[in-house]
Amino acid sequence: DQQVKQNSPSLSVQEGRISILNCDYTNSMFDYFLWYKKYPAEGPTFLISISSIKDKNEDGRFTVFLNKSAKHLSLHIVPSQPGDSAVYFCAASVGGSNYKLTFGKGTLLTVNP
Amino acid sequence: GAGVSQTPSNKVTEKGKYVELRCDPISGHTALYWYRQSLGQGPEFLIYFQGTGAADDSGLPNDRFFAVRPEGSVSTLKIQRTERGDSAVYLCASSLQGDNSPLHFGNGTRLTVT
Repeated sequence: DQQVKQNSPSLSVQEGRISILNCDYTNSMFDYFLWYKKYPAEGPTFLISISSIKDKNEDGRFTVFLNKSAKHLSLHIVPSQPGDSAVYFCAASVGGSNYKLTFGKGTLLTVNP
Repeated sequence: GAGVSQTPSNKVTEKGKYVELRCDPISGHTALYWYRQSLGQGPEFLIYFQGTGAADDSGLPNDRFFAVRPEGSVSTLKIQRTERGDSAVYLCASSLQGDNSPLHFGNGTRLTVT
């Protein structure tokens, strides 16, 4: 039973364009959401997070949007760069803490030069 | 500074054997976590330590899995009577405190049970 779903296994975009990665969740108790990036043979690296009291959080080229009514969040990367090519994981937790994260299966982003 | 270090990076063992996976967290990080990532899946929570004690071990799949952190720093994940289904990448992470401090993951140990 996947509580965090990333329905697109892969996404390919051109350098300089926007990348939009999507994530849906089913557990209404989730109140803290994160995105992690993972390169091959490395551990996941924290990118950006958002609390359920907000609907948007921005950090440089990365923006996360949260739609609680739809149980949907998205990560926007603008402009996309070849170095952004990686697997992106959406994660969620209960209680506003990040210690017990439920991850999606990930989306492989490829940014073409 | 040094990140989270996990050893070995790869481990191949036969079904039924015992294995130990080691994690060296970032110095000063009091919280330590173990996750497991099976092929094609996202990381799955196993256990969380705050200091020396396991604050939450609800993710350990069964009693063949055990983890310790005796001095509040290095942690060892122990798997008894390994099964082929235990094959996965075992990820360790640490954070400054067990709240919203970002988790810093190591590169993982890839365990293959033959």
